[in-house]
Amino acid sequence: AQSVTQLGSHVSVSEGALVLLRCNYSSSVPPYLFWYVQYPNQGLQLLLKYTSAATLVKGINGFEAEFKKSETSFHLTKPSAHMSDAAEYFCAVSGSGATNKLIFGTGTLLAVQP
Amino acid sequence: SAVISQKPSRDICQRGTSLTIQCQVDSQVTMMFWYRQQPGQSLTLIATANQGSEATYESGFVIDKFPISRPNLTFSTLTVSNMSPEDSSIYLCSVEGVSGVNTGELFFGEGSRLTVL
Repeated sequence: AQSVTQLGSHVSVSEGALVLLRCNYSSSVPPYLFWYVQYPNQGLQLLLKYTSAATLVKGINGFEAEFKKSETSFHLTKPSAHMSDAAEYFCAVSGSGATNKLIFGTGTLLAVQP
Repeated sequence: SAVISQKPSRDICQRGTSLTIQCQVDSQVTMMFWYRQQPGQSLTLIATANQGSEATYESGFVIDKFPISRPNLTFSTLTVSNMSPEDSSIYLCSVEGVSGVNTGELFFGEGSRLTVL
Protein backbone atom coordinates (compact mmCIF):
# COMPACT_ATOMS: atom_id res chain seq x y z
CA ALA A 1 0.00 0.00 0.00
CA GLN A 2 1.13 3.53 -0.68
CA SER A 3 0.34 6.85 0.90
CA VAL A 4 1.62 10.38 1.19
CA THR A 5 1.39 12.81 4.06
CA GLN A 6 1.65 16.53 3.55
CA LEU A 7 2.47 18.44 6.71
CA GLY A 8 0.69 21.76 6.89
CA SER A 9 -2.54 22.34 5.04
CA HIS A 10 -1.76 26.06 4.85
CA VAL A 11 1.62 27.72 4.44
CA SER A 12 2.16 31.47 4.23
CA VAL A 13 5.40 33.10 3.13
CA SER A 14 6.50 36.59 2.20
CA GLU A 15 7.38 37.40 -1.37
CA GLY A 16 11.06 36.64 -1.87
CA ALA A 17 11.22 34.19 1.03
CA LEU A 18 12.05 30.49 0.86
CA VAL A 19 9.17 28.14 0.09
CA LEU A 20 9.26 24.73 1.80
CA LEU A 21 6.34 22.34 1.41
CA ARG A 22 6.70 19.01 3.17
CA CYS A 23 5.77 15.57 1.87
CA ASN A 24 6.48 12.18 3.39
CA TYR A 25 5.60 8.96 1.65
CA SER A 26 5.01 5.34 2.45
CA SER A 27 5.50 2.70 -0.20
CA SER A 28 6.19 -1.03 -0.24
CA VAL A 29 7.85 -0.74 -3.64
CA PRO A 30 10.33 1.81 -5.02
CA PRO A 31 8.15 4.85 -5.48
CA TYR A 32 7.63 7.35 -8.19
CA LEU A 33 6.91 10.72 -6.59
CA PHE A 34 5.27 13.81 -7.99
CA TRP A 35 4.38 17.35 -7.11
CA TYR A 36 1.38 18.92 -8.82
CA VAL A 37 0.13 22.48 -8.60
CA GLN A 38 -3.47 23.62 -8.88
CA TYR A 39 -4.18 27.27 -9.53
CA PRO A 40 -7.63 28.60 -8.68
CA ASN A 41 -10.36 27.15 -10.89
CA GLN A 42 -7.90 25.13 -12.93
CA GLY A 43 -6.86 21.50 -13.28
CA LEU A 44 -3.64 20.02 -11.99
CA GLN A 45 -0.30 20.75 -13.59
CA LEU A 46 2.81 18.68 -13.04
CA LEU A 47 5.60 20.61 -11.32
CA LEU A 48 8.19 17.85 -11.16
CA LYS A 49 8.63 14.12 -10.75
CA TYR A 50 11.08 11.63 -9.27
CA THR A 51 11.40 8.35 -11.14
CA SER A 52 14.52 6.76 -9.59
CA ALA A 53 17.09 8.82 -11.46
CA ALA A 54 18.72 11.85 -9.80
CA THR A 55 17.54 12.41 -6.25
CA LEU A 56 17.43 16.19 -6.69
CA VAL A 57 14.73 16.98 -9.19
CA LYS A 58 14.24 20.35 -10.82
CA GLY A 59 10.84 21.36 -12.07
CA ILE A 60 9.08 24.28 -13.65
CA ASN A 61 8.84 27.79 -12.21
CA GLY A 62 12.03 27.42 -10.16
CA PHE A 63 10.78 24.62 -7.93
CA GLU A 64 12.84 21.61 -6.95
CA ALA A 65 12.47 18.61 -4.68
CA GLU A 66 14.88 16.14 -3.14
CA PHE A 67 14.13 12.46 -2.71
CA LYS A 68 15.50 11.23 0.63
CA LYS A 69 14.95 7.52 1.04
CA SER A 70 16.29 7.46 4.60
CA GLU A 71 13.72 10.04 5.62
CA THR A 72 10.98 8.83 3.22
CA SER A 73 10.59 12.45 2.20
CA PHE A 74 10.13 14.44 -0.98
CA HIS A 75 9.91 18.06 0.15
CA LEU A 76 9.29 20.82 -2.38
CA THR A 77 11.35 24.01 -2.25
CA LYS A 78 11.80 27.28 -4.07
CA PRO A 79 14.47 29.78 -3.01
CA SER A 80 12.40 32.90 -3.57
CA ALA A 81 8.61 33.01 -3.57
CA HIS A 82 6.69 35.00 -6.13
CA MET A 83 3.13 36.21 -5.86
CA SER A 84 2.21 33.96 -8.78
CA ASP A 85 3.21 30.89 -6.75
CA ALA A 86 0.06 31.19 -4.66
CA ALA A 87 -1.81 27.97 -5.34
CA GLU A 88 -2.53 24.55 -3.89
CA TYR A 89 0.23 21.97 -4.10
CA PHE A 90 -0.30 18.23 -4.06
CA CYS A 91 2.27 15.53 -3.46
CA ALA A 92 1.52 12.14 -5.05
CA VAL A 93 3.01 8.67 -5.16
CA SER A 94 2.73 5.69 -7.49
CA GLY A 95 4.47 2.36 -7.56
CA SER A 96 7.25 2.01 -10.10
CA GLY A 97 6.48 -0.53 -12.79
CA ALA A 98 2.87 -0.81 -11.67
CA THR A 99 -0.24 0.94 -12.87
CA ASN A 100 -0.30 4.65 -13.31
CA LYS A 101 -2.66 5.05 -10.38
CA LEU A 102 -1.60 8.04 -8.33
CA ILE A 103 -2.29 8.43 -4.63
CA PHE A 104 -2.51 12.08 -3.62
CA GLY A 105 -1.78 13.86 -0.38
CA THR A 106 -4.28 16.23 1.17
CA GLY A 107 -2.67 19.29 -0.37
CA THR A 108 -0.98 22.42 0.94
CA LEU A 109 -2.39 25.82 0.17
CA LEU A 110 0.45 28.29 -0.32
CA ALA A 111 -0.22 31.97 0.30
CA VAL A 112 2.37 34.57 -0.68
CA GLN A 113 2.25 37.88 1.14
CA PRO A 114 3.54 41.08 -0.47
CA SER B 1 2.01 15.58 -22.93
CA ALA B 2 -1.67 15.30 -23.75
CA VAL B 3 -4.41 17.88 -24.18
CA ILE B 4 -7.54 16.90 -22.29
CA SER B 5 -10.90 18.59 -22.74
CA GLN B 6 -13.78 18.11 -20.35
CA LYS B 7 -17.42 19.07 -20.74
CA PRO B 8 -19.21 20.61 -19.00
CA SER B 9 -16.71 22.80 -17.16
CA ARG B 10 -19.33 23.48 -14.51
CA ASP B 11 -22.98 22.79 -13.88
CA ILE B 12 -25.64 23.24 -11.27
CA CYS B 13 -27.88 20.22 -10.89
CA GLN B 14 -31.00 19.28 -9.02
CA ARG B 15 -31.07 16.52 -6.46
CA GLY B 16 -32.06 13.17 -7.94
CA THR B 17 -30.93 13.93 -11.47
CA SER B 18 -27.95 12.48 -13.34
CA LEU B 19 -25.20 14.22 -15.26
CA THR B 20 -22.72 12.86 -17.78
CA ILE B 21 -19.25 14.36 -18.02
CA GLN B 22 -17.28 13.94 -21.20
CA CYS B 23 -13.52 13.67 -21.53
CA GLN B 24 -11.74 13.97 -24.89
CA VAL B 25 -8.00 13.46 -25.35
CA ASP B 26 -5.99 14.60 -28.34
CA SER B 27 -4.05 11.32 -28.58
CA GLN B 28 -4.73 7.64 -28.05
CA VAL B 29 -4.18 6.41 -24.51
CA THR B 30 -4.65 3.03 -22.95
CA MET B 31 -5.90 4.07 -19.54
CA MET B 32 -8.02 7.01 -18.48
CA PHE B 33 -8.69 7.84 -14.85
CA TRP B 34 -11.55 9.64 -13.16
CA TYR B 35 -10.86 11.51 -9.93
CA ARG B 36 -13.12 13.39 -7.54
CA GLN B 37 -12.03 16.43 -5.59
CA GLN B 38 -14.52 17.35 -2.92
CA PRO B 39 -14.54 20.92 -1.60
CA GLY B 40 -11.36 21.64 0.34
CA GLN B 41 -10.07 18.11 -0.07
CA SER B 42 -7.57 16.18 -2.12
CA LEU B 43 -8.15 14.01 -5.14
CA THR B 44 -9.67 10.58 -4.78
CA LEU B 45 -9.55 8.06 -7.59
CA ILE B 46 -13.02 6.89 -8.61
CA ALA B 47 -12.16 4.41 -11.33
CA THR B 48 -9.86 3.44 -14.16
CA ALA B 49 -11.46 3.32 -17.59
CA ASN B 50 -9.98 0.86 -20.05
CA GLN B 51 -11.03 0.67 -23.66
CA GLY B 52 -12.88 -2.51 -24.46
CA SER B 53 -13.53 -3.63 -20.91
CA GLU B 54 -15.47 -2.57 -17.85
CA ALA B 55 -14.06 0.14 -15.69
CA THR B 56 -12.23 -0.80 -12.51
CA TYR B 57 -13.68 0.95 -9.47
CA GLU B 58 -11.89 1.90 -6.28
CA SER B 59 -13.17 1.04 -2.85
CA GLY B 60 -16.22 3.10 -1.99
CA PHE B 61 -17.28 3.72 -5.59
CA VAL B 62 -19.77 1.58 -7.51
CA ILE B 63 -20.82 1.28 -11.11
CA ASP B 64 -24.48 2.02 -10.41
CA LYS B 65 -23.59 5.41 -8.98
CA PHE B 66 -20.74 6.27 -11.37
CA PRO B 67 -21.22 4.42 -14.67
CA ILE B 68 -18.32 4.93 -17.06
CA SER B 69 -18.04 4.45 -20.79
CA ARG B 70 -14.86 4.11 -22.81
CA PRO B 71 -15.87 3.59 -26.45
CA ASN B 72 -12.44 4.31 -27.94
CA LEU B 73 -8.87 5.26 -27.06
CA THR B 74 -9.49 9.01 -26.99
CA PHE B 75 -12.83 9.39 -25.21
CA SER B 76 -14.57 8.53 -21.96
CA THR B 77 -17.64 9.58 -20.03
CA LEU B 78 -18.45 9.54 -16.34
CA THR B 79 -22.06 9.74 -15.20
CA VAL B 80 -22.95 10.85 -11.70
CA SER B 81 -26.30 9.22 -11.04
CA ASN B 82 -29.12 10.17 -8.72
CA MET B 83 -27.17 13.11 -7.41
CA SER B 84 -27.30 14.45 -3.89
CA PRO B 85 -25.60 17.54 -2.42
CA GLU B 86 -22.77 15.26 -1.21
CA ASP B 87 -21.85 14.73 -4.87
CA SER B 88 -20.94 18.40 -5.25
CA SER B 89 -17.32 18.15 -6.31
CA ILE B 90 -14.85 18.74 -9.06
CA TYR B 91 -14.57 15.68 -11.28
CA LEU B 92 -11.26 15.36 -13.09
CA CYS B 93 -10.34 13.23 -16.06
CA SER B 94 -6.72 12.21 -16.37
CA VAL B 95 -4.57 10.13 -18.67
CA GLU B 96 -1.19 8.52 -18.48
CA GLY B 97 1.78 9.94 -20.34
CA VAL B 98 1.81 9.09 -24.00
CA SER B 99 5.55 8.62 -24.33
CA GLY B 100 5.21 4.86 -23.99
CA VAL B 101 7.33 4.86 -20.85
CA ASN B 102 5.52 4.04 -17.65
CA THR B 103 6.58 6.76 -15.21
CA GLY B 104 3.32 7.08 -13.37
CA GLU B 105 2.85 10.64 -14.56
CA LEU B 106 -0.70 11.70 -15.25
CA PHE B 107 -2.08 14.65 -17.18
CA PHE B 108 -5.29 16.27 -16.06
CA GLY B 109 -8.16 18.07 -17.63
CA GLU B 110 -9.39 21.28 -16.07
CA GLY B 111 -12.19 19.48 -14.32
CA SER B 112 -15.95 19.65 -14.19
CA ARG B 113 -17.29 21.52 -11.18
CA LEU B 114 -20.69 20.17 -10.15
CA THR B 115 -22.96 21.78 -7.62
CA VAL B 116 -25.99 19.79 -6.52
CA LEU B 117 -28.83 21.70 -4.93
